[in-house]
Amino acid sequence: EADIYQTPRYLVIGTGKKITLECSQTMGHDKMYWYQQDPGMELHLIHYSYGVNSTEKGDLSSESTVSRIRTEHFPLTLESARPSHTSQYLCASMASTTGNTQYFGPGTRLTVL
Amino acid sequence: KNQVEQSPQSLIILEGKNCTLQCNYTVSPFSNLRWYKQDTGRGPVSLTIMTFSENTKSNGRYTATLDADTKQSSLHITASQLSDSASYICVVIDRGSTLGRLYFGRGTQLTVWP
Repeated sequence: EADIYQTPRYLVIGTGKKITLECSQTMGHDKMYWYQQDPGMELHLIHYSYGVNSTEKGDLSSESTVSRIRTEHFPLTLESARPSHTSQYLCASMASTTGNTQYFGPGTRLTVL
Repeated sequence: KNQVEQSPQSLIILEGKNCTLQCNYTVSPFSNLRWYKQDTGRGPVSLTIMTFSENTKSNGRYTATLDADTKQSSLHITASQLSDSASYICVVIDRGSTLGRLYFGRGTQLTVWP
């Protein structure tokens, strides 16, 4: 069982609210990722990080932003949530030294009304 | 464009039966292929890892095959159990990726009935 955590697990908010989805891992992994997944669809990479103070946008354009101030923490922020942001958000981490195995958190199910 | 296609999209089988899930990919250059199991409302968990030189690999009741020439993989589940009900996702990593970028299929939704 991987030690990667996401909070909250479920979030229902109104349009225009600012939200932060938390992701933490205790494995010391240098690389971390955020994916967006709609029901029955594949995971889409929206952000990734090589390490502290390193963040990049992924394949899928997203209005969210991320930060990586500490190795273990990779929060995702939406400044003004909209119904189009309703989705599942999955965080993952990987150690550069142990191949390409990404460990996933349980996900946050976001609903914007 | 790198793609990963899975079939069938969904599958219903009775408990105790076997089933095979398919994955075709166009990702190049190929590094390795993984099958993940994703329970409803959870993150994916890795089941098997197939490298270019491996044809078959087993993990308990799960057996994965890989044909790197035809770019096809399959996941065979033996003696299915109710707990096997989940989405099974084929994931391919390209060799040129130092980041560890993954290309995901949409998954096969497997339902096992008692």
